[in-house]
Amino acid sequence: GENVEQHPSTLSVQEGDSAVIKCTYSDSASNYFPWYKQELGKRPQLIIDIRSNVGEKKDQRIAVTLNKTAKHFSLHITETQPEDSAVYFCAATAPFTGGGNKLTFGTGTQLKVEL
Amino acid sequence: NAGVTQTPKFQVLKTGQSMTLQCAQDMNHEYMSWYRQDPGMGLRLIHYSVGAGITDQGEVPNGYNVSRSTTEDFPLRLLSAAPSQTSVYFCASSYLSGGRYGYTFGSGTRLTVV
Repeated sequence: GENVEQHPSTLSVQEGDSAVIKCTYSDSASNYFPWYKQELGKRPQLIIDIRSNVGEKKDQRIAVTLNKTAKHFSLHITETQPEDSAVYFCAATAPFTGGGNKLTFGTGTQLKVEL
Repeated sequence: NAGVTQTPKFQVLKTGQSMTLQCAQDMNHEYMSWYRQDPGMGLRLIHYSVGAGITDQGEVPNGYNVSRSTTEDFPLRLLSAAPSQTSVYFCASSYLSGGRYGYTFGSGTRLTVV
């Protein structure tokens, strides 16, 4: 089955700096890679996603890159703000016979943006 | 449109007790799944369903049962609670559109087994 590794587990940056979180996946059939933000006590919320036929996607201060050959994908947050402080999860999913998909998550990165 | 509704929000069980975590969605999504979240381990898939009457095991299915009699409901049953099942449980429903899997998570159930 799919295995997703995520680094670093904690990340502390100064307000205004950039933050980068990296993930690797194992299943070459995976074709969809979402990123979730989870604030304390809340449910995961999708912040950006990328499909396997796209190398990069950007949404305001957030961007995701995908290297299919190396099975790497990364989240980039620019001009970080205190409200970006949260746990971020990468995930990967591949379709399977009979329909449906299974979303496999990384272990999360605790991002802290310091004033 | 309530999205994904989970009940209860909090629960304390004694070892050996059984209970059912409820999950309902009103978005007519085909796919539903249950995850547990433990510190430092991300979300791990317990069971999932691709439609009414069809379920399968995820990564950590032991000690849990599911059924899917309707599109809307996907309850998770703990057969005999153990302290190792202390966790936060999230139910999710999802759909496939344009190559993207749109997941909606419930608000979670925080379960403590003593």
